[in-house]
Amino acid sequence: EPEVTQTPSHQVTQMGQEVILRCVPISNHLYFYWYRQILGQKVEFLVSFYNNEISEKSEIFDDQFSVERPDGSNFTLKIRSTKLEDSAMYFCASKGTGGHYGYTFGSGTRLTVV
Amino acid sequence: GQNIDQPTEMTATEGAIVQINCTYQTSGFNGLFWYQQHAGEAPTFLSYNVLDGLEEKGRFSSFLSRSKGYSYLLLKELQMKDSASYLCAVRDRLSNNAGNMLTFGGGTRLMVKP
Repeated sequence: EPEVTQTPSHQVTQMGQEVILRCVPISNHLYFYWYRQILGQKVEFLVSFYNNEISEKSEIFDDQFSVERPDGSNFTLKIRSTKLEDSAMYFCASKGTGGHYGYTFGSGTRLTVV
Repeated sequence: GQNIDQPTEMTATEGAIVQINCTYQTSGFNGLFWYQQHAGEAPTFLSYNVLDGLEEKGRFSSFLSRSKGYSYLLLKELQMKDSASYLCAVRDRLSNNAGNMLTFGGGTRLMVKP
């Protein structure tokens, strides 16, 4: 079964540093998403991406965050100047067209800011 | 905005049936999803409802009433491995129909006991 792949699985970074989280969505999917889940809390939407541009973003997704699809396969989330409260599990998801298709989640990157 | 409510925790016995309820109040509606999430792992898709009624899928069934803003997930013949969090998520309908992000409830932690 097709998978969404995320790397790295764990990332520890110092406060103030920049991190890039990587995702390889399912190859024929057209919609891409980043969600995060702070430990013990609910899954929160960050951003959606379609047709090479952001289609929707939440209030969490401020200027500290950016996304990019640098080539035909990768989808990245960059977090600049990380803060302690950015520590969370970050999930990438992708979606095909039509009905319930897609929203396949990757296994996540656990980001710890120290 | 979106408001999605589900019980925080439930306990059930192996072999029994359990019903997990979800109520939602949303500005737009384009489908309701149930996901299963084991601790530290990605949400995995269980079911999707966009029209009123019951959708059955093996041991799992999901019901939707759009007029009541209500859904439930029914798990039959519970197994120990069903111990997990169950996430109710609503898909919004955006004017440009491109984002369609999911808004998640806080999840219901189900503990299955022998």
